[in-house]
Amino acid sequence: KNEVEQSPQNLTAQEGEFITINCSYSVGISALHWLQQHPGGGIVSLFMLSSGKKKHGRLIATINIQEKHSSLHITASHPRDSAVYICAIISNFGNEKLTFGTGTRLTIIP
Amino acid sequence: SAVISQKPSRDICQRGTSLTIQCQVDSQVTMMFWYRQQPGQSLTLIATANQGSEATYESGFVIDKFPISRPNLTFSTLTVSNMSPEDSSIYLCSVALGTRSGELFFGEGSRLTVL
Repeated sequence: KNEVEQSPQNLTAQEGEFITINCSYSVGISALHWLQQHPGGGIVSLFMLSSGKKKHGRLIATINIQEKHSSLHITASHPRDSAVYICAIISNFGNEKLTFGTGTRLTIIP
Repeated sequence: SAVISQKPSRDICQRGTSLTIQCQVDSQVTMMFWYRQQPGQSLTLIATANQGSEATYESGFVIDKFPISRPNLTFSTLTVSNMSPEDSSIYLCSVALGTRSGELFFGEGSRLTVL
């Protein structure tokens, strides 16, 4: 079992829909990152969380440390939101190595 | 924040050749990370490049195959040596401001195809 599990693996939605991507992990963490990977391969950091909730524009990220779960929400989705969204954790044990989820491929249809 | 310039953005290479990927950061950083992302897979850490010392390689990656240079606090290179089709991947460099728990920045990736 991977330390980081994301769901769904693929998600297709109509423009304007509310999107939720989930990330569950199995170890104690010091931080969790949400990343966005564009079709060309470049990656942009969206959020870094250690507790609670963060909002940036139409994006909202939440984390529940007790349940070892985080969600990324996109409101009023737009075709330009189409990308792969990756959850990555830094465990609070050992060498603080980043562990990545396998990503959620989001496609927003106009 | 940090801006990372990575090149080449993509290349098509012949089996048995080597290719060097460059990563330039617009600020001084202690650690730079090199990742591989094979088709359909998530990112895997190859090594951590530290200025002034040998890179630290992860299990399954060796210096002979992926030599890394880190001549100063803003620049690093990764060479993929003696390439085979299995090396076809996206290679990314990354930095974290502060500690590993700090904000992450990635290069735009180098998409290599080995024929």
